[in-house]
Amino acid sequence: NAGVMQNPRHLVRRRGQEARLRCSPMKGHSHVYWYRQLPEEGLKFMVYLQKENIIDESGMPKERFSAEFPKEGPSILRIQQVVRGDSAAYFCASSPTTRQGNEKLFFGSGTQLSVL
Amino acid sequence: DQQVKQNSPSLSVQEGRISILNCDYTNSMFDYFLWYKKYPAEGPTFLISISSIKDKNEDGRFTVFLNKSAKHLSLHIVPSQPGDSAVYFCAASATRGGSNYKLTFGKGTLLTVNP
Repeated sequence: NAGVMQNPRHLVRRRGQEARLRCSPMKGHSHVYWYRQLPEEGLKFMVYLQKENIIDESGMPKERFSAEFPKEGPSILRIQQVVRGDSAAYFCASSPTTRQGNEKLFFGSGTQLSVL
Repeated sequence: DQQVKQNSPSLSVQEGRISILNCDYTNSMFDYFLWYKKYPAEGPTFLISISSIKDKNEDGRFTVFLNKSAKHLSLHIVPSQPGDSAVYFCAASATRGGSNYKLTFGKGTLLTVNP
């Protein structure tokens, strides 16, 4: 009965390096969402994906950030050439269908990214 | 521009008493509201929700009240228990329109329940 699995839990990168964050949704869930929580802030929507499709990436920074959810394997959030301002907690959530009404998102424990 | 505001960063109550957490929103399109609880080093977990067609929803010790005219909602926890100590996030979404899946979160309120 595994929930949403994110790895790594903690990731340390130096400025200019790449960060790859992984998310395996709950079994049977085909919708994945990434949220970012900056220090002292609430969670902010980044991107919504279904298998092999990006549905809404309106919350993603236009440069350096990309996300994918391949047919096989976990969803990946990729940050190229990280800067200190990317330091945050990145949460993945999944749902069985598009969230409507009483659907609730199930969140993973997050990846804490620290950029030195 | 913060569309969902939780103006109290922290709240401290005694065990057994009532905890009241408040949330205000500005976007008139929001019609579905949720509360999430978050422990340190864990992801948020769903607590309770309310649709804008209601003004109250109750689940055990947790009750959410919605005042649409004031664009205000509150979460009541009675009686409060030490295990309720966590950060509580208010979240909102607009279920009509094309982006009903997108939640807008407040900054959270740290609740501490003292034994």
